Amino acid sequence: DSGVTQTPKHLITATGQRVTLRCSPRSGDLSVYWYQQSLDQGLQFLIQYYNGEERAKGNILERFSAQQFPDLHSELNLSSLELGDSALYFCASSVEAGRAGELFFGEGSRLTVL
Amino acid sequence: AQSVAQPEDQVNVAEGNPLTVKCTYSVSGNPYLFWYVQYPNRGLQFLLKYITGDNLVKGSYGFEAEFNKSQTSFHLKKPSALVSDSALYFCAVRDIGATNKLIFGTGTLLAVQP
Repeated sequence: DSGVTQTPKHLITATGQRVTLRCSPRSGDLSVYWYQQSLDQGLQFLIQYYNGEERAKGNILERFSAQQFPDLHSELNLSSLELGDSALYFCASSVEAGRAGELFFGEGSRLTVL
Repeated sequence: AQSVAQPEDQVNVAEGNPLTVKCTYSVSGNPYLFWYVQYPNRGLQFLLKYITGDNLVKGSYGFEAEFNKSQTSFHLKKPSALVSDSALYFCAVRDIGATNKLIFGTGTLLAVQP
């Protein structure tokens, strides 16, 4: 158990809908990272937050947004969903930005868009 | 830009034989390199990392990795493979800047036959 909790584990929805994925980092970790894993794109970095502030941005679509709350949990919002958004979405946390620490990953949220 | 390459989509090895999963890197500055393992329907688990120091890094579950600067490689190794080692293995490099964001390779599926 990595200590990173993601909900829901599975989500099935229709095109055009909006979903919210939630992540609770390990106790004490200030950084949260979101990754998307799909068969054709592999593991793609989406966005990072550090202590409530956006720190780094990857290939995140404009239809997607994220935030980190004062209690350090994070949410990834996916809107106007398309079939191609079906993927496994991972959250990871680390102790502190700027140090070469490993990321600790949650079990992921599997999104299926029908 | 930082990147890693995993040239093999799949590696097949018999149980009890040594295994190697290959990774090469391209970085600006000193490389911070990582190996992760993903079992089916699970999140990524940290195996080991190279930051500085000894070129041979020991990690979890009997795995080790050899950092070779001249060949820009960071191959994952294990002296004796187990069937339970069968999984998807990812090499990763820390991105530049004040972040622990990781850039992942495409992954190598390790299949250990009994």
